[in-house]
Amino acid sequence: DAKTTQPNSMESNEEEPVHLPCNHSTISGTDYIHWYRQLPSQGPEYVIHGLTSNVNNRMASLAIAEDRKSSTLILHRATLRDAAVYYCILIQYGGSQGNLIFGKGTKLSVKP
Amino acid sequence: SAVISQKPSRDICQRGTSLTIQCQVDSQVTMMFWYRQQPGQSLTLIATANQGSEATYESGFVIDKFPISRPNLTFSTLTVSNMSPEDSSIYLCSVENLYGYTFGSGTRLTVV
Repeated sequence: DAKTTQPNSMESNEEEPVHLPCNHSTISGTDYIHWYRQLPSQGPEYVIHGLTSNVNNRMASLAIAEDRKSSTLILHRATLRDAAVYYCILIQYGGSQGNLIFGKGTKLSVKP
Repeated sequence: SAVISQKPSRDICQRGTSLTIQCQVDSQVTMMFWYRQQPGQSLTLIATANQGSEATYESGFVIDKFPISRPNLTFSTLTVSNMSPEDSSIYLCSVENLYGYTFGSGTRLTVV
């Protein structure tokens, strides 16, 4: 699976939007872009995923560049509960047989 | 999506002993995955557990050190054998679901 690059850390103020970037310049046509987050002392949890079009769900929005070489996870109004490490992962269509390539992710801090 | 119950949530063990970690899934799944997360690091896949066959281990992980059982389609165990302080990590199980992967809450292991 192709690798992703994310900033090590980001800070946000509570109630403000947060844009978490991810670069995946070697993405293949069958790779889905997935985002997971890991809250302190918990396992990773699914946030959102997409292939080509922008996606919205109750947790976040995912904006995917037209060339698919980058994407941005958008938290519309950050809360203290959103403080976590966010991982951008590429998963091939049909699954990656569990061998998800976790980078170091972006540690998001939210200030009250 | 599937719900995973993982236990124990944490343990402190003496070096040279073994610890067995259990994961119970609320639905039948073909494959279960075991990950290790060393302190301050990201997740690394240890092995894939299929029901009815031997687990498949990733490079750097061996069956003698991390024996895995998969007696049915909803349950798996990972044993960390002959532990040393270097085995102090968080161990997580995971299963694939409709949108991606679900993770257990993790077992925080400290070896003293």
